[in-house]
Amino acid sequence: GQNIDQPTEMTATEGAIVQINCTYQTSGFNGLFWYQQHAGEAPTFLSYNVLDGLEEKGRFSSFLSRSKGYSYLLLKELQMKDSASYLCAVKYNTNAGKSTFGDGTTLTVKP
Amino acid sequence: GAGVSQSPSNKVTEKGKDVELRCDPISGHTALYWYRQSLGQGLEFLIYFQGNSAPDKSGLPSDRFSAERTGGSVSTLTIQRTQQEDSAVYLCASSRQGGVSDEQYFGPGTRLTVT
Repeated sequence: GQNIDQPTEMTATEGAIVQINCTYQTSGFNGLFWYQQHAGEAPTFLSYNVLDGLEEKGRFSSFLSRSKGYSYLLLKELQMKDSASYLCAVKYNTNAGKSTFGDGTTLTVKP
Repeated sequence: GAGVSQSPSNKVTEKGKDVELRCDPISGHTALYWYRQSLGQGLEFLIYFQGNSAPDKSGLPSDRFSAERTGGSVSTLTIQRTQQEDSAVYLCASSRQGGVSDEQYFGPGTRLTVT
């Protein structure tokens, strides 16, 4: 299979930094996405990584190591509105159009 | 511009009945996806349409599930003889061309409850 593994839940404090990890099977890897999903809402796109390294977008950054099959989403200066589920999704070259999603990490930001 | 829309937003049906869920993708997007999400769970892939190619039906859980996409635009997901385990949120997404770097744009979902 092409298991995507993420922690189920994380808790962090407002203003802090949190790192959400995602590991995946490396064979046939063709790109990785992070999506944010607030409770009761649809997922929305956050970031895309295909090359090794860090992609920064404001308070959010995403890192990829292709050789290790590892990515993380880094959220800085946490705000209460960042409480949501964060979904890691991977594309494999067996079917370039389709993404395999992890089960998501539910982040709770506390005051 | 308009995003992905889905209808109905909520559907309550009796066990054994058939239901049809509709998805209108973003205009011009050639790739369309259906997912199922149970409470507190991740996205379960159901089916993927790309242009005029044969759809990838590998995620459909049983032959009670089927989907079609007419004219390369609107899609309908049909569940026949619904069961209680079919209760979930059904999400539709589209992307520009289903390319490797194309992100997916999701609709608001249809919450299906089978009683």
